[in-house]
Amino acid sequence: DIQMTQSPSTLSASVGDRVTITCRASQTISTWLAWYQQKPGKAPKLLMYKASTLESGVPSRFSGSGSGTEFTLTISSLQPDDFATYYCQQYKSYALTFGGGTKVEIK
Amino acid sequence: EVQLVESGGGLVQPGGSLRLSCAASGITLTTYTMNWVRQAPGKGLEWVSAISGGGGNTYYADSVKGRFTISRDNSKNTLYLQLNSLRAEDTAVYYCAKDYSNACFDYWGQGTLVTVSS
Repeated sequence: DIQMTQSPSTLSASVGDRVTITCRASQTISTWLAWYQQKPGKAPKLLMYKASTLESGVPSRFSGSGSGTEFTLTISSLQPDDFATYYCQQYKSYALTFGGGTKVEIK
Repeated sequence: EVQLVESGGGLVQPGGSLRLSCAASGITLTTYTMNWVRQAPGKGLEWVSAISGGGGNTYYADSVKGRFTISRDNSKNTLYLQLNSLRAEDTAVYYCAKDYSNACFDYWGQGTLVTVSS
């Protein structure tokens, strides 16, 4: 199975900060990568797919980049609604796998 | 509007069985690959199983292979997950999720909690 490693696991930031989360795949996955946001007690929400395609309705302050094995999710200016946990997911092949998550906390 | 509503979770003893359901509206399940994803309390997301739109292909995580079975009732537009030989480590919220863009997930249900404990 393809292993997905996210860093950092926790990130403390302030409103207005630029935030970057990294996801690394154990083997090349081209751009078959998605990012999700999850808030406590809620189902995950799709933010980005194909590594850099913004899902409809997602604010443009979110952006994604990368290909192969290294990917990033960037929030250009952190807003109060963005404090949540973020997960990457590879869909190059089954078994589909997620990163361990990055919790974005208020500094 | 797409809605996915899971049911069937509950408390079950180790070694027991449970069947989860995911009733879909706003979409026809035969059009999409559908998935089950779980999340243990306080932990991350784990993909569990998928079934293709045609129903001919099923996929499982190694952790559940041989114990869980995914299926679908087209007449009821409902997805199922049969959980057998349950273990404590199967305790989780189980979500059904619709496939999008070749196996990421754009619609999720609200989840149903399965607790395996004696």
